[in-house]
Amino acid sequence: DVKVTQSSRYLVKRTGEKVFLECVQDMDHENMFWYRQDPGLGLRLIYFSYDVKMKEKGDIPEGYSVSREKKERFSLILESASTNQTSMYLCASSLSADSINSPLHFGNGTRLTVT
Amino acid sequence: GQSLEQPSEVTAVEGAIVQINCTYQTSGFYGLSWYQQHDGGAPTFLSYNALDGLEETGRFSSFLSRSDSYGYLLLQELQMKDSASYFCAPGNTGGFKTIFGAGTRLFVKA
Repeated sequence: DVKVTQSSRYLVKRTGEKVFLECVQDMDHENMFWYRQDPGLGLRLIYFSYDVKMKEKGDIPEGYSVSREKKERFSLILESASTNQTSMYLCASSLSADSINSPLHFGNGTRLTVT
Repeated sequence: GQSLEQPSEVTAVEGAIVQINCTYQTSGFYGLSWYQQHDGGAPTFLSYNALDGLEETGRFSSFLSRSDSYGYLLLQELQMKDSASYFCAPGNTGGFKTIFGAGTRLFVKA
């Protein structure tokens, strides 16, 4: 079974702090994604990556950046956290760029609170 | 642009059948996935339709009509554990992004 592990389940940070959310997958998947989930808004894509050192903006990239230095690890960075970034953050991975129908495998999420 | 519509809530009784509809508009559409998410849990993949018609996986079936930009998830023999949120997720060819909406909250009553 694919395992997608997010480093923290709960995180509390102060406004203006730099925040790193880490995600690791163990199945050699090429694609990795960061979503945020808010009540009534569902899951919204922040960034995704289809290869090491490659990244693409999703629907709501403002205020975020990402890093993919190794295939198994995809980091989401909040350069200067703000209260409107309080949310549940979900990392996901999928098999390969050639398998356009390969399902997403999600981590358990990181609930970030910015005060 | 892109849009996605599914009911916000559905309530049904144990043992019944429930259908969750989904209409979508997205460019470069290549298939429709369904995901289930229990409270506090991660979304998990249920089914995928690339072609028109019905796909059956145990108690769950999913249907797609590409010409109507419409799909549905059918849950049969409902169980209490089926209480969860269900997301339809059309995928597009633009970088393999899967689009999620707000989902449908299913409440199963005894």
